[in-house]
Amino acid sequence: DQQVKQNSPSLSVQEGRISILNCDYTNSMFDYFLWYKKYPAEGPTFLISISSIKDKNEDGRFTVFLNKSAKHLSLHIVPSQPGDSAVYFCAASASQYNFNKFYFGSGTKLNVKP
Amino acid sequence: NAGVMQNPRHLVRRRGQEARLRCSPMKGHSHVYWYRQLPEEGLKFMVYLQKENIIDESGMPKERFSAEFPKEGPSILRIQQVVRGDSAAYFCASSPGLRVNEQYFGPGTRLTVT
Repeated sequence: DQQVKQNSPSLSVQEGRISILNCDYTNSMFDYFLWYKKYPAEGPTFLISISSIKDKNEDGRFTVFLNKSAKHLSLHIVPSQPGDSAVYFCAASASQYNFNKFYFGSGTKLNVKP
Repeated sequence: NAGVMQNPRHLVRRRGQEARLRCSPMKGHSHVYWYRQLPEEGLKFMVYLQKENIIDESGMPKERFSAEFPKEGPSILRIQQVVRGDSAAYFCASSPGLRVNEQYFGPGTRLTVT
């Protein structure tokens, strides 16, 4: 039962343009969401997070948007750079029950072309 | 400050053998999590441990898999009598406390069962 879904396995974007990665979830108890970035042969690294009390969180070139009614979040990268090419995972947790159990999507492989 | 360390990075086992995967959390972190990533899938939670305690093992297969985090030394994920379906990347993550949402991942151990 996949509670967090990333329906686009891959995305290709030109350098300098915006990358938009999407994530949907089914569990209405999820209230904390994170994005991780993963390079080949490395572990995931934390990128940005958002609590359900917000609908937007920004950190430099990265912005995460949360639409609770649609159970949808997205990661915007502007401007995209070749070094952003990696697999991006979204993750969710239900902090009221278990702060530490993360549910991950299957990932979106981003390719930023120079 | 060293990050999360996992060894070995690659492990090959024949069917029926035992696999032992080790994880040393970041300095000052007392919470350890194990995740498994099957090919083309996201990371799936297996178990959450604190020193000498298993807090949540709801993602662990009921048989052949066990985990520990002793008072001294690394956390160990043990898989007995491995089968081909156990071939995957196993990631360990750590965090400093219960109410910290970000988990810091190690580079993973890629287990291949022949």
